[in-house]
Amino acid sequence: ETGVTQTPRHLVMGMTNKKSLKCEQHLGHNAMYWYKQSAKKPLELMFVYNFKEQTENNSVPSRFSPECPNSSHLFLHLHTLQPEDSALYLCASSQAGLEQETQYFGPGTRLLVL
Amino acid sequence: DQQVKQNSPSLSVQEGRISILNCDYTNSMFDYFLWYKKYPAEGPTFLISISSIKDKNEDGRFTVFLNKSAKHLSLHIVPSQPGDSAVYFCAASATNTGNQFYFGTGTSLTVIP
Repeated sequence: ETGVTQTPRHLVMGMTNKKSLKCEQHLGHNAMYWYKQSAKKPLELMFVYNFKEQTENNSVPSRFSPECPNSSHLFLHLHTLQPEDSALYLCASSQAGLEQETQYFGPGTRLLVL
Repeated sequence: DQQVKQNSPSLSVQEGRISILNCDYTNSMFDYFLWYKKYPAEGPTFLISISSIKDKNEDGRFTVFLNKSAKHLSLHIVPSQPGDSAVYFCAASATNTGNQFYFGTGTSLTVIP
């Protein structure tokens, strides 16, 4: 596997379910990100991890819980979601600290909350 | 408040002609700009970038122009090919915001054969 991978690619869950999204990067990067993409809206940054430490949490509801066990893996744990949380969830990674840093994205998980 | 704006949600261009995608930003601290391309059911892929110390960067058929005084950048694709049909996002970052990127809403480009 190369680049950034995400599983599952599609997920349907009820509002009372608990599920997790997984992201893995094979680029040797030291920073990982979760974004939410809703229709007609710009990508919304949710969480940033630098060297496994969370450095950004952009006012994300507590029903989203990130976990970064090492610099290659990132999880997003979901519980008691709402229908408005249905969106494409994108993971990205980058080599933080470079003057001109580029983020590389995974294919995303399309989430539908019923 | 949206700091990066792409005011054209869609654009159609004939194959072989030039495609011009536009992006405006409001934050004068932005010093690095990128364009990403996204096909359906895939994540955005990095296309081309430009630093604020330059006003043009070229990579094959893709050229990005930066006008700092107007806070405007554009992506030119010439000649356009049907495989270029995708959604294009511009993004910006500032050195003092670490690795926070700000994205536009995207422009859907259709290249007509």
